[in-house]
Amino acid sequence: QKEVEQNSGPLSVPEGAIASLNCTYSDRGSQSFFWYRQYSGKSPELIMSIYSNGDKEDGRFTAQLNKASQYVSLLIRDSQPSDSATYLCAVGRPDSGYALNFGKGTSLLVTP
Amino acid sequence: NAGVTQTPKFRILKIGQSMTLQCAQDMNHNYMYWYRQDPGMGLKLIYYSVGAGITDKGEVPNGYNVSRSTTEDFPLRLELAAPSQTSVYFCASSPRWYGGYGYTFGSGTRLTVV
Repeated sequence: QKEVEQNSGPLSVPEGAIASLNCTYSDRGSQSFFWYRQYSGKSPELIMSIYSNGDKEDGRFTAQLNKASQYVSLLIRDSQPSDSATYLCAVGRPDSGYALNFGKGTSLLVTP
Repeated sequence: NAGVTQTPKFRILKIGQSMTLQCAQDMNHNYMYWYRQDPGMGLKLIYYSVGAGITDKGEVPNGYNVSRSTTEDFPLRLELAAPSQTSVYFCASSPRWYGGYGYTFGSGTRLTVV
């Protein structure tokens, strides 16, 4: 079973701080990695995708990938109360029709 | 609006009943997926399809069936509903390769089996 592991949280950060979300995966052959945000009662929405080792920045979000350590992270700078949600890490599975294997998610709470 | 449409949004079934969850997309995506999400859990893959006429099992296919007669539609059939099938069901689609865009998700169907 190919696993994607996340700390369930909740992770609580004050408004304006940096939130750091982490994810590990078991399949060393994985090549595609995604972060989704899911508000309560809503469907997941894509935040970031990353394919190469290193950092990828998009606005207040930075995804970091280390394939040697099988580790993916998401940094949210200048966190806002509207960032409060569950963040799902997902890993691509080319052997299953490019399905995504999701972690259980980390709950983030940004306090004013 | 372009996207993935799921119906119904909510449904209560009695044990042993059957139903079909509908999923339709208008983006001409080849790849379509059904996931279920239990409280506090990630999404688990039920079935997927890589094109019309082609379907395959995911991680948790027992108790479900699918068909894909057209590119647009990918219905999920529940036979003999059980309380363990109480969950939120998401349909998603993607182009041939998701590239940097991941999936397009539907809004979900919340199913309760009593």
